[in-house]
Amino acid sequence: NAGVTQTPKFQVLKTGQSMTLQCAQDMNHNSMYWYRQDPGMGLRLIYYSASEGTTDKGEVPNGYNVSRLNKREFSLRLESAAPSQTSVYFCASAQEFGSPLHFGNGTRLTVT
Amino acid sequence: GQQVMQIPQYQHVQEGEDFTTYCNSSTTLSNIQWYKQRPGGHPVFLIQLVKSGEVKKQKRLTFQFGEAKKNSSLHITATQTTDVGTYFCAGISGNTPLVFGKGTRLSVIA
Repeated sequence: NAGVTQTPKFQVLKTGQSMTLQCAQDMNHNSMYWYRQDPGMGLRLIYYSASEGTTDKGEVPNGYNVSRLNKREFSLRLESAAPSQTSVYFCASAQEFGSPLHFGNGTRLTVT
Repeated sequence: GQQVMQIPQYQHVQEGEDFTTYCNSSTTLSNIQWYKQRPGGHPVFLIQLVKSGEVKKQKRLTFQFGEAKKNSSLHITATQTTDVGTYFCAGISGNTPLVFGKGTRLSVIA
């Protein structure tokens, strides 16, 4: 059981470039989430999908888009990367909305 | 919106000393969850508290949920070097998603 798998693990982008962070879970969970973690800021929710077919904005959605491709996969897209988006990004899933989260190993993104 | 405050931000202890981190919410919570993140790792779920006044133990860790369901604490007895990491509380209120505190980073000096 792989749990929550995120790709890539590391990425360096130039300002203005775009990229998609991939996330897949094999636990048949209904809810999926994208967080970013910055020093001293804890975990801040970017977007979430309470169930397949729905997506909602979290605390810090600006500059990001998401796609719940199917029950397993939830991708995060940066259309035009900015240095302020340098962060560690975590994908998480949960059995149901509000249930405990299972996190992936994270993607460390640097935007220069 | 809902806010979850966590103190202290940092705590340095000698191995064998006790450690406590506190979590306070601006709103009444339906449940509170605790996570641990080792340096360089990802958050890992520890426990969920649901009932007012609930106390749960996991070996040397004791978790409490306040009577008003607005605060919680995590107490570690006789810390070990394996306890090093950042401890996060996260609360749910109504239909909003989990809101995380900023975490308490624990360092243990052997």
